[in-house]
Amino acid sequence: AQKITQTQPGMFVQEKEAVTLDCTYDTSDQSYGLFWYKQPSSGEMIFLIYQGSYDEQNATEGRYSLNFQKARKSANLVISASQLGDSAMYFCAMREGSLGANSKLTFGKGITLSVRP
Amino acid sequence: GAVVSQHPSRVICKSGTSVKIECRSLDFQATTMFWYRQFPKQSLMLMATSNEGSKATYEQGVEKDKFLINHASLTLSTLTVTSAHPEDSSFYICSARRGRANNEQFFGPGTRLTVL
Repeated sequence: AQKITQTQPGMFVQEKEAVTLDCTYDTSDQSYGLFWYKQPSSGEMIFLIYQGSYDEQNATEGRYSLNFQKARKSANLVISASQLGDSAMYFCAMREGSLGANSKLTFGKGITLSVRP
Repeated sequence: GAVVSQHPSRVICKSGTSVKIECRSLDFQATTMFWYRQFPKQSLMLMATSNEGSKATYEQGVEKDKFLINHASLTLSTLTVTSAHPEDSSFYICSARRGRANNEQFFGPGTRLTVL
């Protein structure tokens, strides 16, 4: 089974509106971390937001918030007030187990977001 | 802070040659560095994890003799693609983690390798 699932086709959103990018995950670990990264056409991976499995509050970073539904194993990214510069690929990733020297990230397939003016 | 650089950003080589890609953490010491491979419009696939001063840990299916990884210092890791073939053409991205108790991985800008 896939550990990170991102099934939405290319997403479109009107500038200044909010958009939700879906991510579900699969793990049997109690301790894990969930990440969202943005990859514009230039290729660089930009860290957006992090949610720990034991965090009770949903993570927020500026216009980004993570809707963490632990029982559903979902970690959707919400981008508010979309900007043209938000057009990019977005990857959800998971770190399983506690943080350690070799703990690694597993990435989903990504979602393409296009912001319309 | 937390900048990771990669060099070169783009390389074109002939089949059979070897290519070295450098990954540097510019303003922090990276206890662990990761090497990923990404095909167009696809996800990042982890190739290997390297800790400074020790041998890299390769993911299943990654040939360690083909993709040589050296993590000689806390700020530099290199990936050498030996005897490159066209199927090795891809986007290679490194990332570095600052400290063992830090969640965040800082990614380099990537290197696009084209093997003719």
